[in-house]
Amino acid sequence: DVKVTQSSRYLVKRTGEKVFLECVQDMDHENMFWYRQDPGLGLRLIYFSYDVKMKEKGDIPEGYSVSREKKERFSLILESASTNQTSMYLCASSPPGQGRDEQYFGPGTRLTVT
Amino acid sequence: AQSVTQPDIHITVSEGASLELRCNYSYGATPYLFWYVQSPGQGLQLLLKYFSGDTLVQGIKGFEAEFKRSQSSFNLRKPSVHWSDAAEYFCAVGLSGNTGKLIFGQGTTLQVKP
Repeated sequence: DVKVTQSSRYLVKRTGEKVFLECVQDMDHENMFWYRQDPGLGLRLIYFSYDVKMKEKGDIPEGYSVSREKKERFSLILESASTNQTSMYLCASSPPGQGRDEQYFGPGTRLTVT
Repeated sequence: AQSVTQPDIHITVSEGASLELRCNYSYGATPYLFWYVQSPGQGLQLLLKYFSGDTLVQGIKGFEAEFKRSQSSFNLRKPSVHWSDAAEYFCAVGLSGNTGKLIFGQGTTLQVKP
């Protein structure tokens, strides 16, 4: 059974802290994604990676960075957490299809910044 | 620019009634279209997808969707809703190229009345 796992389901951090969200997939997928999900806004792409050490900005990259040192692992980093980064964060992966391949999602991390 | 619109933010149906969730897309090329479901506190699960062939596609859990190019629509249907179908539903379009990127609609929350 394919699997995308995220390091935490719930996380509470203080303003200004550096936050790491980890995502691991076991499907040998080239593509990995980080989204944030907010009510009424759907899923918004933060960053994606199409290969090890390769990354591209999504629609809302400000305040975030990413790291992909190994194919199976994609990390999202909040350099200095702020309250407006309180959200649900979803990680996904997919093979390098021509847009026709589905993305496989992790269970999400609900981050609260106080 | 590519976009996906789900006109209904929230829908309530009675258990046993039929369901149709609307999805409209804007995309210049042949679209790859997806419907995902998200149960409370969970990640997204693929219900079905369309990229060519028969315009009526069958998915899991008794769902189906019909692609109508003339209307730029990909509406999701189910003939008889069960209480366990209460969830949030997302329509998405896949972009051409091998990045695997998807553009998601805002989501529709389905409530099922007993």
